[in-house]
Amino acid sequence: RKEVEQDPGPFNVPEGATVAFNCTYSNSASQSFFWYRQDCRKEPKLLMSVYSSGNEDGRFTAQLNRASQYISLLIRDSKLSDSATYLCVVVGLSGTYKYIFGTGTRLKVLA
Amino acid sequence: EAQVTQNPRYLITVTGKKLTVTCSQNMNHEYMSWYRQDPGLGLRQIYYSMNVEVTDKGDVPEGYKVSRKEKRNFPLILESPSPNQTSLYFCASSPGTYNQPQHFGDGTRLSIL
Repeated sequence: RKEVEQDPGPFNVPEGATVAFNCTYSNSASQSFFWYRQDCRKEPKLLMSVYSSGNEDGRFTAQLNRASQYISLLIRDSKLSDSATYLCVVVGLSGTYKYIFGTGTRLKVLA
Repeated sequence: EAQVTQNPRYLITVTGKKLTVTCSQNMNHEYMSWYRQDPGLGLRQIYYSMNVEVTDKGDVPEGYKVSRKEKRNFPLILESPSPNQTSLYFCASSPGTYNQPQHFGDGTRLSIL
């Protein structure tokens, strides 16, 4: 089983739609969680951190479910510019700490 | 401007010819790491460094070397590149605590013929 798993998609949604992605992780001792956005062949850019109580940034909402070991990203009112690949990152602690990336979920927002 | 700078951005070279990809950050970050990204495999960590003179293997270290002689620089060295090292490489840095996200360089596209 992979340490971090994401549905690769693509998710094709119309403009204005609400879309949600999940990311599951296997290490229950994982400490920190992030969502990144990556445009084709570009560097990953931080979208948002994920806090235990859930957090929102404009149209984006991130949630953490430690009991079921997954994080989620909700995008409301999708824009064409939201088309990208979304990567979840889980930070595990074992001596040192390590950032583990999911393979990403591809989103296409259609006009 | 806070940034992570990688050079070169693109390189085509031949098997066996040693090469170095440089990475420099101006944010005084403790933690630096190198990743390669291949289709269907996502980002895989090659090496990371918690601080100066401290480096550790990631998931795919074979065929690579790194050094961390100064806090700002973390070069990736391919002593004898092979075609299976053709990939997109990213350097990243973070302040040094596990709850801080990483900042990425623009990437280096390497082709080994």
